[in-house]
Amino acid sequence: DIQMTQSPSSLSASVGDRVTITCRASQSISSYLNWYQQKPGKAPKLLIYVASSLQSGVPSRFSGSGSGTDFTLTISSLQPEDFATYYCQQSYSTPRTFGQGTKLEIK
Amino acid sequence: EVQLEQSGAEVKKPGESLKISCKGSGYSFSSYWIGWVRQMPGKGLEWMGIISPDDSDTRYSPSFQGQVTISADKSISTAYLQWSSLEASDTAMYYCARQAGAAAFDYWGQGTLVTVSS
Repeated sequence: DIQMTQSPSSLSASVGDRVTITCRASQSISSYLNWYQQKPGKAPKLLIYVASSLQSGVPSRFSGSGSGTDFTLTISSLQPEDFATYYCQQSYSTPRTFGQGTKLEIK
Repeated sequence: EVQLEQSGAEVKKPGESLKISCKGSGYSFSSYWIGWVRQMPGKGLEWMGIISPDDSDTRYSPSFQGQVTISADKSISTAYLQWSSLEASDTAMYYCARQAGAAAFDYWGQGTLVTVSS
């Protein structure tokens, strides 16, 4: 199985901050990396697919980059509704493993 | 509008069997793989497996192979996740999701909470 490691596990930030979350794969996954946002009590929501493609309806303040083993999710200017948990997922091979999550909290 | 509607919460005893469902609407159900994801209380997301409703081709995570069965009935646009003998450690929220291009899950069900307790 490909292991996905996110950092940090938690992060405190303020509205308006620029935030970056990283995800590292245990082997090369090309650009087969997706990012999801999950709010408490809700299903996850797809934000970014194939590393940098913005899912329809997702605000442009979200962006993704990377290839191979190292990837980043950036939120350019945090909004109150962005405080949530973020997960990366590799879709290079099955099982399509998730990272352990990054909880983004209000400072 | 694409929707995945999951069956309601379940409370079961250890050793009992269970089958939960995920009904798709608003798109061609047979054309997209459906996946199942487990989320244990307070924990992260775990990819369990996927099924092609068109031909029932199924892929399991090794962590769940033999522990659950994923199936689908394309005639009624429904996928299933079932257990033959539940354990307390199966207590979790289970989500179904549609697998789109590049194998990302683009639409999700609302989740089914399974509680296993004696």
